[in-house]
Amino acid sequence: DAGVTQSPTHLIKTRGQQVTLRCSPKSGHDTVSWYQQALGQGPQFIFQYYEEEERQRGNFPDRFSGHQFPNYSSELNVNALLLGDSALYLCASSLGGGGRNTIYFGEGSWLTVV
Amino acid sequence: GNSVTQMEGPVTLSEEAFLTINCTYTATGYPSLFWYVQYPGEGLQLLLKATKADDKGSNKGFEATYRKETTSFHLEKGSVQVSDSAVYFCAPSFTGGGNKLTFGTGTQLKVEL
Repeated sequence: DAGVTQSPTHLIKTRGQQVTLRCSPKSGHDTVSWYQQALGQGPQFIFQYYEEEERQRGNFPDRFSGHQFPNYSSELNVNALLLGDSALYLCASSLGGGGRNTIYFGEGSWLTVV
Repeated sequence: GNSVTQMEGPVTLSEEAFLTINCTYTATGYPSLFWYVQYPGEGLQLLLKATKADDKGSNKGFEATYRKETTSFHLEKGSVQVSDSAVYFCAPSFTGGGNKLTFGTGTQLKVEL
């Protein structure tokens, strides 16, 4: 049973560029969330998708957008990259959006903005 | 508002020592509580969870009890190993927040021989 898978693993972008990160949830899961983890910090919630709609959003600017596909996979897009966007981006999945449901994380995508 | 406070690290212990990492929260309701572990260069792994008062989560020798009276969820292990060296995160899922996790700052644990 595959867990949460993310791609790419590492990437380097230039300021002002755009990036797309991809996530496949754990088999059977229908809810996908994205988190940003800066070096030495705890992960910060970006947004959550369920039934192809954004259900919750954290305190991130509109440059951060996402999408969920009918097969529950998801993309995170970041436009107009800033140096401060350099971080580990974690995808997490669960079955449903209930607070008691266990959330599983992928290995993350390391983004470096230069 | 809802928040979580976690014991600051780094924590350095000798192998077979007893471990406690403190975690307290402030909440308007009764959150579900999770501990995640992050090994160097990796993503987050669920270590244990508790979803209601007095529940005890346990896994791989680690334990934590949901204490409603003290709004705490301290992580403990009786005898740590070098392989336990990692960063540990306390992460409540607050009522009304769906299953959005709010992470503490993380506690780095280093276990030495």
